[in-house]
Amino acid sequence: EVQVLESGGGLVQPGGSLRLSCAASGFTFSTSPMTWVRQAPGEGLQWVSSITGGGDATYYIESVKGRFTISRDNSKNTLFLQMTGLGAEDTAIYYCAKGGIGRPGGLDYWGQGTLVTVSS
Amino acid sequence: QSVLTQPPSVSAAPGQKVTISCSGTASNIGNSDVSWYQQLPGAAPKLLIYGNNKRPSGIPDRFSGSKSGTSATLGITGLQAGDEAVYSCGAWDNSLSAGVFGGGTKLTVL
Repeated sequence: EVQVLESGGGLVQPGGSLRLSCAASGFTFSTSPMTWVRQAPGEGLQWVSSITGGGDATYYIESVKGRFTISRDNSKNTLFLQMTGLGAEDTAIYYCAKGGIGRPGGLDYWGQGTLVTVSS
Repeated sequence: QSVLTQPPSVSAAPGQKVTISCSGTASNIGNSDVSWYQQLPGAAPKLLIYGNNKRPSGIPDRFSGSKSGTSATLGITGLQAGDEAVYSCGAWDNSLSAGVFGGGTKLTVL
């Protein structure tokens, strides 16, 4: 059974940092692109970042470039999102998803999300 | 404002059919596979349609997807109360080198 489970969310002050993790199981992690999607309170889905299976290519939404870093540890089947310089606009539920949007399979498995709240 | 355009809401009676549109451009829908996601209240999104018109295992054939040019459509027939959810389309945008979603369409089953 495919599972992805996020962790690491919480309350952080403006300008602070947070590292999200996503533990994956039930599929060949090292060959699967992975994606972070966020959803601000009451808003729609927003694609944040994707990484290829081997980690050799990464992509980001413009608003997080230079502040967020996506990475993966294929030996531990874990995806990460390092977030720095956080602002109120980054407050959202962050979902980890298997796959890549626009790729043939879409985002076929999603975690339950982890809430990030940026507030003083 | 979302890159892909969807109607904010649609509604129909139980048993009826509804379609949800997703409009984009040549840089996204025109050159990308489109996928659709269902988000029930309080739940994580779930893949409904991938590759423009394919259904994952377990998704009933009441749900269908199509794409023509720079637009895509999700169709739902035989509406049930349990279909009340927000439906979002997604694609890759070659110009932005980024993924894009529609703003989401809230389906109400009257």
